[in-house]
Amino acid sequence: DAMVIQNPRYQVTQFGKPVTLSCSQTLNHNVMYWYQQKSSQAPKLLFHYYDKDFNNEADTPDNFQSRRPNTSFCFLDIRSPGLGDAAMYLCATSSRQGIGYTFGSGTRLTVV
Amino acid sequence: GIQVEQSPPDLILQEGANSTLRCNFSDSVNNLQWFHQNPWGQLINLFYIPSGTKQNGRLSATTVATERYSLLYISSSQTTDSGVYFCAGRYNNNDMRFGAGTRLTVKP
Repeated sequence: DAMVIQNPRYQVTQFGKPVTLSCSQTLNHNVMYWYQQKSSQAPKLLFHYYDKDFNNEADTPDNFQSRRPNTSFCFLDIRSPGLGDAAMYLCATSSRQGIGYTFGSGTRLTVV
Repeated sequence: GIQVEQSPPDLILQEGANSTLRCNFSDSVNNLQWFHQNPWGQLINLFYIPSGTKQNGRLSATTVATERYSLLYISSSQTTDSGVYFCAGRYNNNDMRFGAGTRLTVKP
């Protein structure tokens, strides 16, 4: 089945230690998104790739970076995680028109 | 920017009851969608519904784009319907904004 896969499911990192979360898709969607979701809140868009074009939300901290080396893969890099970055990180994909929006299962990040 | 407001914020139902969830959006959207987040955190796309009405089993959705609202109907609710229902609007290219969600609890 076509899907969006996030690894790992749970990630524990130390305060200030760089961490990378990964996302892959078999849907061949042009657009890939990264969302941050904190407890009892709505998902918040961090950035997205429209093919290779990177689009950063204005309020996304500089601490968050992303890479999309090819159509199938996208990475979220947190350069110096703080306690406030503990959250669920969700990857999603869609067509150029935003159709077929599909989320991965998420990576729950804990910062210790 | 676009504002997406959902009501009610919380809803508790007895199994078998029907419910209507509402989503108001503040500006023109070209892509209104409904999602369900189950208690384990998985978000599932329920409907892509920029306008008109769609039905899928016990769920249906209606969007009146000219009046900037969308409704999600759940009939004969089951305990597996529990979770958070989000509507989201695409405002600018691929910039999808989520409402705060409606937390639904269906009791057996």
